[in-house]
Amino acid sequence: QKEVEQNSGPLSVPEGAIASLNCTYSDRGSQSFFWYRQYSGKSPELIMSIYSNGDKEDGRFTAQLNKASQYVSLLIRDSQPSDSATYLCAVNWAGGFKTIFGAGTRLFVKA
Amino acid sequence: GAGVSQSPRYKVTKRGQDVALRCDPISGHVSLYWYRQALGQGPEFLTYFNYEAQQDKSGLPNDRFSAERPEGSISTLTIQRTEQRDSAMYRCASTWTARADNTDTQYFGPGTRLTVL
Repeated sequence: QKEVEQNSGPLSVPEGAIASLNCTYSDRGSQSFFWYRQYSGKSPELIMSIYSNGDKEDGRFTAQLNKASQYVSLLIRDSQPSDSATYLCAVNWAGGFKTIFGAGTRLFVKA
Repeated sequence: GAGVSQSPRYKVTKRGQDVALRCDPISGHVSLYWYRQALGQGPEFLTYFNYEAQQDKSGLPNDRFSAERPEGSISTLTIQRTEQRDSAMYRCASTWTARADNTDTQYFGPGTRLTVL
């Protein structure tokens, strides 16, 4: 089992739709979870962080965390073509300083 | 202020040569991470510094890889006797604080694209 798993995609949604991105992780003790966006040829940039079970909303983005199921998700509402990118799920490993990234999900938003 | 900078941006070297990759974090940032990113993959953790102390080097693939941050600011990742499999994008990231289970945003540099011929 990979430490952080994501569907590689690509995920294609029409403009204005909701994009749903999922991530599972193997370290049950992890407490900090992040979603990064990476445009082609660019560096990752943080878009959401979440530490408690439940939902966290920031504009068009909602992160959801379920520690019991070891599952993190990101919803993007009213998807725009500019949201087309790779979305990376990242988990801070318990008891240390290591951040583990998933392989990323490529999202395409069609105009 | 300025973001994280890395140099060189591109490095082409021959197999067996040593390379040194530099990372200059955001001024005042305490923590510094090194990652390796293959095409189509997420960043792979290599090592972590808290000021000048290397507190986690569990991701370094083998003893050809080493890193230092002697004054708690600029860091150098050195790869000795490079091999073709070392070809990748090497990125560093920095954060304001330094604690286990760091919740701070990691700010990534532009990366160094290493190609080993």
